[in-house]
Amino acid sequence: EVQLVESGGGLVQPGGSLRLSCAASGFTFATYSMNWVRQTPGKGLEWLSYINTNSRSIYYADSVKGRFTISRDNAGKSLYLQMNSLRAEDTAMYYCVRDGNPAFVYFDCWGQGTPVTVSS
Amino acid sequence: DVVMTQSPLSLPVTPGEPASISCRSSQTLLHSDGNNYLDWYLQKPGQSPQLLIYLGSIRASGVPDRFSGSGSGTDFTLKISRVEADDVGVYYCMQGLVTPWTFGQGTKVDIK
Repeated sequence: EVQLVESGGGLVQPGGSLRLSCAASGFTFATYSMNWVRQTPGKGLEWLSYINTNSRSIYYADSVKGRFTISRDNAGKSLYLQMNSLRAEDTAMYYCVRDGNPAFVYFDCWGQGTPVTVSS
Repeated sequence: DVVMTQSPLSLPVTPGEPASISCRSSQTLLHSDGNNYLDWYLQKPGQSPQLLIYLGSIRASGVPDRFSGSGSGTDFTLKISRVEADDVGVYYCMQGLVTPWTFGQGTKVDIK
Protein backbone atom coordinates (compact mmCIF):
# COMPACT_ATOMS: atom_id res chain seq x y z
CA GLU A 1 0.00 0.00 0.00
CA VAL A 2 1.29 3.43 -0.95
CA GLN A 3 1.67 5.46 2.21
CA LEU A 4 3.04 8.83 3.28
CA VAL A 5 3.31 9.57 6.99
CA GLU A 6 4.19 13.06 8.17
CA SER A 7 5.62 13.94 11.56
CA GLY A 8 7.32 16.84 13.31
CA GLY A 9 4.45 19.28 13.60
CA GLY A 10 3.58 21.03 16.82
CA LEU A 11 3.37 24.32 18.67
CA VAL A 12 6.16 26.81 18.07
CA GLN A 13 6.65 30.45 18.93
CA PRO A 14 6.82 33.13 16.24
CA GLY A 15 10.34 33.30 14.85
CA GLY A 16 11.00 29.70 15.76
CA SER A 17 11.83 26.67 13.64
CA LEU A 18 10.41 23.23 12.95
CA ARG A 19 11.48 20.36 10.74
CA LEU A 20 8.75 18.26 9.19
CA SER A 21 9.44 14.74 8.02
CA CYS A 22 7.55 12.44 5.69
CA ALA A 23 8.18 8.71 5.59
CA ALA A 24 7.26 7.00 2.35
CA SER A 25 6.42 3.34 1.88
CA GLY A 26 4.78 1.04 -0.64
CA PHE A 27 6.43 2.58 -3.70
CA THR A 28 9.85 3.38 -5.13
CA PHE A 29 10.34 6.75 -3.47
CA ALA A 30 13.43 7.66 -5.47
CA THR A 31 11.47 7.69 -8.74
CA TYR A 32 8.84 10.24 -7.72
CA SER A 33 8.98 13.99 -7.34
CA MET A 34 7.47 15.22 -4.09
CA ASN A 35 5.74 18.28 -2.71
CA TRP A 36 4.57 19.97 0.46
CA VAL A 37 1.07 21.47 0.53
CA ARG A 38 -0.59 23.17 3.47
CA GLN A 39 -4.19 23.84 4.37
CA THR A 40 -5.69 26.56 6.49
CA PRO A 41 -9.36 27.29 7.14
CA GLY A 42 -8.92 30.76 5.79
CA LYS A 43 -6.73 30.26 2.71
CA GLY A 44 -7.66 26.72 1.74
CA LEU A 45 -5.05 24.58 0.02
CA GLU A 46 -1.69 26.17 -0.74
CA TRP A 47 1.15 24.47 -2.60
CA LEU A 48 4.45 25.29 -0.90
CA SER A 49 7.36 23.45 -2.44
CA TYR A 50 8.46 20.85 -4.99
CA ILE A 51 11.55 18.68 -5.27
CA ASN A 52 12.38 16.36 -8.13
CA THR A 53 13.84 12.89 -7.86
CA ASN A 54 17.53 13.90 -7.71
CA SER A 55 16.96 17.15 -5.75
CA ARG A 56 18.31 19.26 -8.61
CA SER A 57 14.99 20.99 -9.33
CA ILE A 58 13.40 22.73 -6.37
CA TYR A 59 10.62 25.30 -6.38
CA TYR A 60 8.98 27.34 -3.64
CA ALA A 61 5.92 29.48 -3.25
CA ASP A 62 6.79 33.12 -2.64
CA SER A 63 5.13 32.94 0.78
CA VAL A 64 7.84 30.57 2.07
CA LYS A 65 10.82 31.28 -0.17
CA GLY A 66 13.89 32.07 1.90
CA ARG A 67 12.35 30.66 5.07
CA PHE A 68 11.51 27.05 4.19
CA THR A 69 13.84 24.43 2.71
CA ILE A 70 12.70 21.18 1.09
CA SER A 71 14.99 18.18 0.95
CA ARG A 72 14.86 14.43 0.51
CA ASP A 73 16.76 11.28 1.37
CA ASN A 74 16.08 8.68 -1.28
CA ALA A 75 17.95 5.94 0.52
CA GLY A 76 15.92 6.60 3.65
CA LYS A 77 12.69 7.12 1.67
CA SER A 78 12.04 10.40 3.41
CA LEU A 79 11.01 13.95 2.54
CA TYR A 80 11.71 16.94 4.75
CA LEU A 81 10.65 20.53 5.19
CA GLN A 82 12.83 22.78 7.32
CA MET A 83 10.76 25.75 8.41
CA ASN A 84 12.51 28.80 9.87
CA SER A 85 11.36 32.25 10.90
CA LEU A 86 7.87 30.93 11.44
CA ARG A 87 4.95 33.36 11.50
CA ALA A 88 1.41 33.14 12.79
CA GLU A 89 0.17 32.83 9.21
CA ASP A 90 2.17 29.60 8.82
CA THR A 91 -0.30 27.91 11.17
CA ALA A 92 -1.80 25.11 9.10
CA MET A 93 -2.04 21.41 8.41
CA TYR A 94 1.00 20.37 6.36
CA TYR A 95 0.71 17.57 3.82
CA CYS A 96 3.41 15.54 2.12
CA VAL A 97 2.23 14.88 -1.43
CA ARG A 98 3.48 12.65 -4.22
CA ASP A 99 3.65 13.90 -7.78
CA GLY A 100 2.04 11.19 -9.89
CA ASN A 101 3.94 11.67 -13.11
CA PRO A 102 7.28 13.25 -14.06
CA ALA A 103 5.78 14.90 -17.15
CA PHE A 104 2.62 16.33 -15.60
CA VAL A 105 1.62 17.82 -12.28
CA TYR A 106 -0.95 15.91 -10.33
CA PHE A 107 -0.90 14.87 -6.72
CA ASP A 108 -1.88 11.22 -6.56
CA CYS A 109 -1.01 10.43 -2.97
CA TRP A 110 -1.37 12.59 0.14
CA GLY A 111 -0.25 11.95 3.69
CA GLN A 112 -2.60 12.39 6.61
CA GLY A 113 -0.99 15.71 7.48
CA THR A 114 0.84 17.11 10.50
CA PRO A 115 -0.47 20.24 12.24
CA VAL A 116 1.70 23.27 12.86
CA THR A 117 0.64 26.05 15.21
CA VAL A 118 2.69 29.22 15.45
CA SER A 119 1.71 31.14 18.55
CA SER A 120 3.22 32.74 21.62
CA ASP B 1 -0.09 33.78 -10.03
CA VAL B 2 -2.86 31.89 -11.81
CA VAL B 3 -6.12 32.49 -9.99
CA MET B 4 -8.55 29.57 -9.88
CA THR B 5 -12.21 30.45 -9.31
CA GLN B 6 -14.78 27.79 -8.51
CA SER B 7 -18.54 28.02 -8.52
CA PRO B 8 -20.70 27.43 -6.71
CA LEU B 9 -18.95 27.46 -3.33
CA SER B 10 -21.75 25.41 -1.79
CA LEU B 11 -23.78 22.75 -3.55
CA PRO B 12 -26.59 20.85 -1.81
CA VAL B 13 -27.34 17.72 -3.80
CA THR B 14 -29.98 15.02 -3.92
CA PRO B 15 -28.75 11.41 -4.10
CA GLY B 16 -29.28 9.99 -7.55
CA GLU B 17 -29.32 13.41 -9.18
CA PRO B 18 -26.50 14.92 -11.25
CA ALA B 19 -24.21 17.66 -9.98
CA SER B 20 -21.78 20.02 -11.67
CA ILE B 21 -18.94 22.25 -10.46
CA SER B 22 -17.26 24.94 -12.52
CA CYS B 23 -13.63 26.02 -12.35
CA ARG B 24 -12.18 28.97 -14.22
CA SER B 25 -8.54 29.97 -14.46
CA SER B 26 -7.14 33.46 -14.95
CA GLN B 27 -5.00 32.20 -17.82
CA THR B 28 -5.12 29.29 -20.19
CA LEU B 29 -4.12 25.90 -18.84
CA LEU B 30 -3.71 24.44 -22.32
CA HIS B 31 -0.11 23.38 -22.77
CA SER B 32 1.64 23.20 -26.13
CA ASP B 33 1.58 19.41 -25.71
CA GLY B 34 -2.19 19.54 -26.13
CA ASN B 35 -3.00 18.74 -22.50
CA ASN B 36 -4.89 20.91 -20.07
CA TYR B 37 -3.02 20.99 -16.77
CA LEU B 38 -6.09 20.97 -14.58
CA ASP B 39 -6.77 18.51 -11.77
CA TRP B 40 -9.75 17.85 -9.51
CA TYR B 41 -9.50 16.70 -5.90
CA LEU B 42 -12.05 15.66 -3.31
CA GLN B 43 -11.50 16.11 0.39
CA LYS B 44 -13.97 13.98 2.28
CA PRO B 45 -14.79 14.99 5.86
CA GLY B 46 -11.88 14.29 8.18
CA GLN B 47 -9.64 13.06 5.37
CA SER B 48 -6.80 14.33 3.22
CA PRO B 49 -7.56 15.40 -0.34
CA GLN B 50 -7.64 12.65 -2.95
CA LEU B 51 -7.07 12.88 -6.68
CA LEU B 52 -10.17 12.46 -8.85
CA ILE B 53 -9.26 13.80 -12.28
CA TYR B 54 -6.01 14.90 -13.90
CA LEU B 55 -5.17 16.58 -17.19
CA GLY B 56 -8.69 17.92 -17.26
CA SER B 57 -10.51 14.69 -18.04
CA ILE B 58 -8.57 11.58 -17.03
CA ARG B 59 -10.02 9.72 -14.07
CA ALA B 60 -7.48 8.65 -11.48
CA SER B 61 -7.14 5.01 -10.60
CA GLY B 62 -10.15 3.67 -8.72
CA VAL B 63 -12.35 6.72 -9.34
CA PRO B 64 -15.92 5.70 -10.28
CA ASP B 65 -17.03 6.51 -13.80
CA ARG B 66 -19.87 8.68 -12.49
CA PHE B 67 -17.17 11.36 -12.17
CA SER B 68 -16.14 13.13 -15.35
CA GLY B 69 -14.04 16.17 -16.15
CA SER B 70 -14.30 18.37 -19.20
CA GLY B 71 -13.23 21.73 -20.56
CA SER B 72 -10.23 23.39 -22.09
CA GLY B 73 -8.28 26.59 -21.87
CA THR B 74 -9.74 28.53 -18.97
CA ASP B 75 -13.12 26.87 -18.36
CA PHE B 76 -13.50 23.46 -16.78
CA THR B 77 -16.30 21.38 -15.30
CA LEU B 78 -16.50 18.43 -12.95
CA LYS B 79 -19.68 16.44 -13.29
CA ILE B 80 -21.13 13.72 -11.12
CA SER B 81 -23.71 11.81 -13.12
CA ARG B 82 -25.58 10.43 -10.11
CA VAL B 83 -24.55 11.67 -6.69
CA GLU B 84 -24.08 9.16 -3.92
CA ALA B 85 -23.92 9.84 -0.19
CA ASP B 86 -20.20 9.00 -0.23
CA ASP B 87 -19.52 11.92 -2.59
CA VAL B 88 -19.95 14.59 0.09
CA GLY B 89 -16.98 16.77 0.86
CA VAL B 90 -15.07 19.69 -0.60
CA TYR B 91 -14.02 19.59 -4.24
CA TYR B 92 -10.98 21.54 -5.40
CA CYS B 93 -9.59 22.28 -8.82
CA MET B 94 -5.87 22.90 -9.20
CA GLN B 95 -3.71 24.14 -12.05
CA GLY B 96 -0.40 22.41 -12.64
CA LEU B 97 0.80 24.45 -15.60
CA VAL B 98 2.90 27.15 -13.96
CA THR B 99 4.38 27.53 -10.51
CA PRO B 100 3.11 28.36 -8.03
CA TRP B 101 0.57 25.63 -8.61
CA THR B 102 -2.70 27.02 -7.32
CA PHE B 103 -6.00 25.67 -6.05
CA GLY B 104 -9.53 26.94 -6.28
CA GLN B 105 -11.37 27.97 -3.10
CA GLY B 106 -13.24 24.71 -2.92
CA THR B 107 -16.87 23.71 -3.44
CA LYS B 108 -18.61 22.11 -0.50
CA VAL B 109 -21.00 19.38 -1.59
CA ASP B 110 -23.49 18.04 0.91
CA ILE B 111 -26.74 16.14 0.86
CA LYS B 112 -29.99 18.10 0.90
